[in-house]
Amino acid sequence: GAGVSQSPSNKVTEKGKDVELRCDPISGHTALYWYRQSLGQGLEFLIYFQGNSAPDKSGLPSDRFSAERTGGSVSTLTIQRTQQEDSAVYLCASSLDAGAGGANVLTFGAGSRLTVL
Amino acid sequence: AQSVSQHNHHVILSEAASLELGCNYSYGGTVNLFWYVQYPGQHLQLLLKYFSGDPLVKGIKGFEAEFIKSKFSFNLRKPSVQWSDTAEYFCAVNAFSGYSTLTFGKGTMLLVSP
Repeated sequence: GAGVSQSPSNKVTEKGKDVELRCDPISGHTALYWYRQSLGQGLEFLIYFQGNSAPDKSGLPSDRFSAERTGGSVSTLTIQRTQQEDSAVYLCASSLDAGAGGANVLTFGAGSRLTVL
Repeated sequence: AQSVSQHNHHVILSEAASLELGCNYSYGGTVNLFWYVQYPGQHLQLLLKYFSGDPLVKGIKGFEAEFIKSKFSFNLRKPSVQWSDTAEYFCAVNAFSGYSTLTFGKGTMLLVSP
């Protein structure tokens, strides 16, 4: 597609429920990234994919968080047993490639705002 | 691992004032540097980037940034701000070493009063 698409744009859930957030990257972009944006905390890196592989999962806050990417395209970020501290905007970005000497440029989606009550 | 520090969390300016937002990074090797901007209600978008060459880079909407390697800095400047520049600005660094992720600063909220 023309840009990075994320869904849902807003999600309100109850504590303890599971949520899935979806990201559809720009066509042809092999690298896909998930970040979390909280008020006053900037952007926190969660995980990135090169193709379907996730070389760096170091940013996932706990084992309640997982992500997958299939077909080198769409990615899903899953948060199990949500907690109130999970409330944030979850941003997805994609780039042509995560390598090439790191000289890649990320294009971001509009984000999924998660509110855990 | 790389890290990024943005000195000001909030900046308030009047229109036509000059702007400089500080950004310092920590990483011993070669880096790529970026400034992203997030206008109210909009998604993050690239303002400018430095990969190599001239350390003074120009971006959209009259913004520029200067990479000073000896100071590990990449400050963002604009000679005369406009009300429409009200936004949050994020500095980011990417280590020039194989596969690497973009590390962001905590952001600076700029409010320009008309």
